[in-house]
Amino acid sequence: QMQLVESGGGVVQPGKSLRLSCTASGFSFNNFVVHWLRQAPGKGLEWVAVMSYDGDSKFYGDSVKGRFSVSRETSNNTLFLQMNSLTTEDTAVYFCAKSGGVGPNFFDTWGQGTLVTVSS
Amino acid sequence: EIQMTQSPSTLSASVGDRVTITCRASQSISSWLAWYQQKPGKAPKLLIYKASKLESGVPSRFSGSQSGTEFTLTINSLHPDDFATFYCQHYNSYPLTFGGGTKVEI
Repeated sequence: QMQLVESGGGVVQPGKSLRLSCTASGFSFNNFVVHWLRQAPGKGLEWVAVMSYDGDSKFYGDSVKGRFSVSRETSNNTLFLQMNSLTTEDTAVYFCAKSGGVGPNFFDTWGQGTLVTVSS
Repeated sequence: EIQMTQSPSTLSASVGDRVTITCRASQSISSWLAWYQQKPGKAPKLLIYKASKLESGVPSRFSGSQSGTEFTLTINSLHPDDFATFYCQHYNSYPLTFGGGTKVEI
C-alpha cells in the first residue's frame, strides 16, 4: 500500500529556517514524482514545489520561489523541503502528495500533513 | 498563472439532493482537471481526474463533466458522508493551482 508520512513541522520564528521530510513506503521515488503542497489555517490548498522524475528540474510556486528548495534522498525514499526566510504567511499544514504521472499532474496519494507555525 | 474560479463557495443541501459545483479556468486547460474532497483535519482525497474519470474506489454518484473551460462536479443523491469541502485543480502546466473550494453543508 502506497503511503506518505511528513515530519519536521513545528513552531519557528520569522526569518528562521525549517526542513520538512516526506518519507514514502510502498513505492519508490525512482518511479514516481512527489510534490509539496500547503494549506493555511481555514484556507484553501496551495501547490508549493516539485522535483522532476529524473531530479534535473525543480518547480516552485511564486510565493515560495527563492526561499524554499526541494531535494530528495532516493536511497531512503525521502523528499525534503528546505524553507528559509520564513514569514507568518508560511504558517500552514504542509502535505506531500504523489503525482498521478510525470509532468504537471493530479495527486492520488497524500500524507497526513505536518503543521508549520511561524510566530515570534 | 492559470486562475481557477470555483462556485459557489458554500452550498446548503440535504441528504438525497443532487449537487453541482462549477470550476472555470482562466484559459484552456484541455481536460487536465481534477476534483478532491476534503474533510476537516484530513488530507484531500482524489475523486475525479482528467475532468470526468472516476478514481478507483470512488462511488459512482460522483461525476465530472466539461464544457470548454467550465468544469462541473455533480454528486447524485447526497449521502451523509459527502458533507465536506470540494476543490478543483488544473494540471495543464506549472504552477498548479486550485479553486477556492466549495463547502457542502447541511
